[in-house]
Amino acid sequence: GAGVSQSPRYKVAKRGQDVALRCDPISGHVSLFWYQQALGQGPEFLTYFQNEAQLDKSGLPSDRFFAERPEGSVSTLKIQRTQQEDSAVYLCASSLAGINYGYTFGSGTRLTVV
Amino acid sequence: AQSVTQLGSHVSVSEGALVLLRCNYSSSVPPYLFWYVQYPNQGLQLLLKYTTGATLVKGINGFEAEFKKSETSFHLTKPSAHMSDAAEYFCAVRNTGTASKLTFGTGTRLQVTL
Repeated sequence: GAGVSQSPRYKVAKRGQDVALRCDPISGHVSLFWYQQALGQGPEFLTYFQNEAQLDKSGLPSDRFFAERPEGSVSTLKIQRTQQEDSAVYLCASSLAGINYGYTFGSGTRLTVV
Repeated sequence: AQSVTQLGSHVSVSEGALVLLRCNYSSSVPPYLFWYVQYPNQGLQLLLKYTTGATLVKGINGFEAEFKKSETSFHLTKPSAHMSDAAEYFCAVRNTGTASKLTFGTGTRLQVTL
């Protein structure tokens, strides 16, 4: 597609519920990143994929967070047993391979845990 | 580890006035630096980036930034503010190693008044 697509745009979850957030990157983009942006803050790195390989997951805040990209294109970020502190905007970005390329960000999924 | 500091969480300028948003970085290796803009309820859009070469970088919407190694700075400027420039601006640094994460500053909200 023309841009990075994320769905849903908004998600309200009851505390303890599991959620799945989807990211559809730009076709041909090898690199895919997930970021978490709390209200009034800058985005914080969660995890990074190169094709289907998850090369860095150092930013995942707990073992309740899990990400996958099984075929090297679409990625899913799953949060189990959501808690109120998980409320944030989750941003996905994709990039061509190589250090000189900037990322293209999606519009994000706003997760509210009640 | 690389980091960036944005001085001033809020900046207000009059329409037509100079815009100056400050960013200082910390990096043990030559950094790759980025400025992103975020409009309400949207993802981040790349304004400009510095990788190597010319230290004065021109971006979209009339913005530019100058990489100053001696001052460890990468301030964003625009000669004449427009109402449409009102948004959140983020400075970010990326490791020059293999493709890796961006580390963002906390952001500066730019307000443009008549």
